[in-house]
Order: sequence, then C-alpha cells, then structure tokens
Amino acid sequence: SQQGEEDPQALSIQEGENATMNCSYKTSINNLQWYRQNSGRGLVHLILIRSNEREKHSGRLRVTLDTSKKSSSLLITASRAADTASYFCATDAHNNNDMRFGAGTRLTVKP
Amino acid sequence: DAGVIQSPRHEVTEMGQEVTLRCKPISGHNSLFWYRQTMMRGLELLIYFNNNVPIDDSGMPEDRFSAKMPNASFSTLKIQPSEPRDSAVYFCASSTHSGPNQPQHFGDGTRLSIL
Repeated sequence: SQQGEEDPQALSIQEGENATMNCSYKTSINNLQWYRQNSGRGLVHLILIRSNEREKHSGRLRVTLDTSKKSSSLLITASRAADTASYFCATDAHNNNDMRFGAGTRLTVKP
Repeated sequence: DAGVIQSPRHEVTEMGQEVTLRCKPISGHNSLFWYRQTMMRGLELLIYFNNNVPIDDSGMPEDRFSAKMPNASFSTLKIQPSEPRDSAVYFCASSTHSGPNQPQHFGDGTRLSIL
C-alpha cells in the first residue's frame, strides 16, 4: 500500500519558473526521499531528508519536511525543459525497512 | 559503475505462458527490491531481499508470482501462469542495505505485456 501521496497529480509550468510539489504521509517515519522518473526509465534518487531535519538543499532542489503535519515539499527553482518528469516521494515506516512510494506528480516544463 | 541491469527490456507473451524477469544488482549492494508499476496502482513493492534472503514478500499478488536470489549478483521474478492483468512495468532496485536511510538504485524496468 502507498504511504506517501503527492500533490498535485500534474503540474505544467514555463521554463524558468519554480515548481513546487507536495507529499503527505500517514505514519511516523525515519526519513523521506524524493525520486525522479523520466519516461520509459527507472526512478532516480534525488534527495533524502531525515526525520530530524527540516530543510535540505541540493543544487536547484529544496526539500522541506514538517513531521507535525506529516508533509514534505520539493521545490525546483529556475526549471528547465529537462526537468520534465514524474516526481515521487517515498517514506519508510518506523518499523519497516522498505520504502513506500506515492503516486507521483507529473511535471511538464514548457520551453 | 554499471547500474542495476534488468532483462529483457520488453516482453510480450500470451496468457498462460511462464515469464521470467531478470535483475543484476549493483555490485556490493546487499538489498534487492522488486516493484511493479501500473497507471492504476502506481509503484508497488512486491518483495525484497537482504543478503539473498527474502525478507518481506507480502506484496506478491498471488502464488503465480515467485522470486529467487540464488546469489548476490542475480535475481529472478517468475510469473507462472501469466495473465493479462499482470501487464505492467516491473522494476528491480538495489541498495547497500535495506536500512531506512539508504537510497535505492533502479534499473530501467521490464515492460511486460500479456495478451
């Protein structure tokens, strides 16, 4: 069963704009991860944020985590057409070692 | 470094046939995961292994599905007999271990179509 749920399901923006995707989950976690999937390819790990962290940056990516609200957001700044992909959050439940993925947000960046 | 390698990339077969999907994890990774991705159900974890031992197979849909990991560099997912509802993209992923802080590395999947 899925643990994380992304919002929105689909997002379309112009190149250069920022893209924000949200993820909500149900149970307590050790960490939350964001992945990207290009069409016809496997998922690629982007960033991991631990439950005791509130914000993390990696290049043009910024991830926040609010454990009180059981939610996370992924911000992509200055988007590029190459950022067009599906983005998934994945969480682990405290007692499990495996990850559960949400349904994903489909991001389209128009040149 | 070579990533996770899956074969075949595409498989089309008739219902009732046996299907075997193959995965070679990244060398040195101790955990291996099999997922299924469909439009309706998203990405579902089927089974995962630690050090070649199956740990959690609760996601395996039914007895028609079986997975093995005879050694650290090879795993198979078998469907016998196959049904049209098994059509999906099947992904294999590996990580250094299945601890909660480990990113997973995915192969490019096998697109399976059961006619």
